[in-house]
Amino acid sequence: AQTVTQSQPEMSVQEAETVTLSCTYDTSESDYYLFWYKQPPSRQMILVIRQEAYKQQNATENRFSVNFQKAAKSFSLKISDSQLGDAAMYFCACYSNSGYALNFGKGTSLLVTP
Amino acid sequence: DVKVTQSSRYLVKRTGEKVFLECVQDMDHENMFWYRQDPGLGLRLIYFSYDVKMKEKGDIPEGYSVSREKKERFSLILESASTNQTSMYLCASSPQGAYYGYTFGSGTRLTVV
Repeated sequence: AQTVTQSQPEMSVQEAETVTLSCTYDTSESDYYLFWYKQPPSRQMILVIRQEAYKQQNATENRFSVNFQKAAKSFSLKISDSQLGDAAMYFCACYSNSGYALNFGKGTSLLVTP
Repeated sequence: DVKVTQSSRYLVKRTGEKVFLECVQDMDHENMFWYRQDPGLGLRLIYFSYDVKMKEKGDIPEGYSVSREKKERFSLILESASTNQTSMYLCASSPQGAYYGYTFGSGTRLTVV
């Protein structure tokens, strides 16, 4: 079974600053995929970034990047130049071929202050 | 624009009522999922379906059932709603392998009074 842990229930960042959200996971699979989802107040879950475990290079999408440490089973999300629209719940998730479903962490609520 | 549509954004039901939550996807995805989301507990999988008429229990299936008679539609049924089923319900879909994650609906906030 896979578990995903987000140890920060809430985080706060000032506009234009950088923030890092933590995620650790546990899986016995060698082939798996990691995701960060954003859920703004509108409730629509949006995929922010995706990482394939067999790829060494950290994924990047504009202001969003990850620090994927496979040996440590760590998958943190860095948001650069934070904007007010980044305020949301962020969920980390893991998927492997042996199952059908993604396993989610409990989420981190990000507050962005002007 | 591909999407997953949940029929209701807000629902208020009485204890003991039979409740249907509907979800429709237009992406020809094989897999569909129902989660409930509660503060501090994250997303918990209730049921999923990997094909028409096929279903599997997730982590918290008690008090729920599902139906998938057509590929595009996946229904969550609360046979006799109880107050502890007050929650946000999220539907999602994916192709056969969720390598690219899910597409989510916008959620149904259910209140049972």
